[in-house]
Amino acid sequence: AQSVSQHNHHVILSEAASLELGCNYSYGGTVNLFWYVQYPGQHLQLLLKYFSGDPLVKGIKGFEAEFIKSKFSFNLRKPSVQWSDTAEYFCAVNARRDYKLSFGAGTTVTVRA
Amino acid sequence: DAMVIQNPRYQVTQFGKPVTLSCSQTLNHNVMYWYQQKSSQAPKLLFHYYDKDFNNEADTPDNFQSRRPNTSFCFLDIRSPGLGDAAMYLCATSSDWSRETSYEQYFGPGTRLTVT
Repeated sequence: AQSVSQHNHHVILSEAASLELGCNYSYGGTVNLFWYVQYPGQHLQLLLKYFSGDPLVKGIKGFEAEFIKSKFSFNLRKPSVQWSDTAEYFCAVNARRDYKLSFGAGTTVTVRA
Repeated sequence: DAMVIQNPRYQVTQFGKPVTLSCSQTLNHNVMYWYQQKSSQAPKLLFHYYDKDFNNEADTPDNFQSRRPNTSFCFLDIRSPGLGDAAMYLCATSSDWSRETSYEQYFGPGTRLTVT
């Protein structure tokens, strides 16, 4: 079974700062990779996903993530955060053609105005 | 808009009193999932339905059951809730796994369960 680790539990930064959240997974086979975001009081929403092709994927709200196969990593980035990016961010992985989505523990991002 | 709906959004129940949480979807997806999410933790899969086929995770307590009377609806039954069952319960859907786009799961807003 695959496992997912997110490097930071809580990140605090100021508006316009750059954000990078680390995600590593352990699984030797082909995987699908996701970043979900959960805004306060709202449901989990998909930010971006990677199935195959260009390892640099762009998502909604200016987020992007890079899949580095050799490092088993799928880090999330945003060049300039806004106060509205305050949320919890979850990295998730499933093995190709497997129903089970494994989540990381989540990173709480607080953006100060 | 096609979506995943959960009712109620907040549920309070007494210790040991059975409770049912509801999920419905307008996406016409054939796979439905139930997750438990405790504070500051990752969602934990309890079980899923692939059409009418029920699949329980090995570590899901017997106290948790599920029903799926049709494609659109799925219920989570907690037979005798304990204090440790207080959590957010998330319903999600995905389409047929045989298609690549199926790997994405769509989540409902969740039901926050309080056990008194």
